[in-house]
Amino acid sequence: ETGVTQSPTHLIKTRGQQVTLRCSSQSGHNTVSWYQQALGQGPQFIFQYYREEENGRGNFPPRFSGLQFPNYSSELNVNALELDDSALYLCASTGGRNEQYFGPGTRLTVT
Amino acid sequence: SQQGEEDPQALSIQEGENATMNCSYKTSINNLQWYRQNSGRGLVHLILIRSNEREKHSGRLRVTLDTSKKSSSLLITASRAADTASYFCATDEDETSGSRLTFGEGTQLTVNP
Repeated sequence: ETGVTQSPTHLIKTRGQQVTLRCSSQSGHNTVSWYQQALGQGPQFIFQYYREEENGRGNFPPRFSGLQFPNYSSELNVNALELDDSALYLCASTGGRNEQYFGPGTRLTVT
Repeated sequence: SQQGEEDPQALSIQEGENATMNCSYKTSINNLQWYRQNSGRGLVHLILIRSNEREKHSGRLRVTLDTSKKSSSLLITASRAADTASYFCATDEDETSGSRLTFGEGTQLTVNP
């Protein structure tokens, strides 16, 4: 167990809808990163938050947005869902040596 | 985009054998990390090797890094059925805090009892 939790575990949404995924980072970790993992591929970096500010973004459109709260928990929001957004969404908090501790993920299916 | 490329894509061995997975990358890195993933769930951090290190050990795991060839290998010795999983290498190019990782596409390891 990494101490990183995510909710919900599974989610089914319809194309065009909006979704919010949640992550609670490991205690004391002030940096949270979000990744998208399509089936059969490696995770791709979406963005990172450090002390409530976005601290880097991957190659994802603006309809992917996020928040980090004072307790370092985080949300990933995706607007105008597309079928290709179906994936496992992983959050990770960063430890003192820059190793990342991943949560179990949220499986999003867009129909 | 994927920086790392793992080789092989899939590996099937018998329990007790050693498993070697390779990873190549394209840019300069701060460190390289190996992760394990069971059945599409969360990733488990295995080992981190810094760019100025050449080899690290952790239990049955041995990682090497050759920055001149931009490659790394993960060796699992005396494999067990429970080692069956996908293994990913990930590079961290950023020297500042945070660690934004770029993953390869992984090696699916199957250890047969």
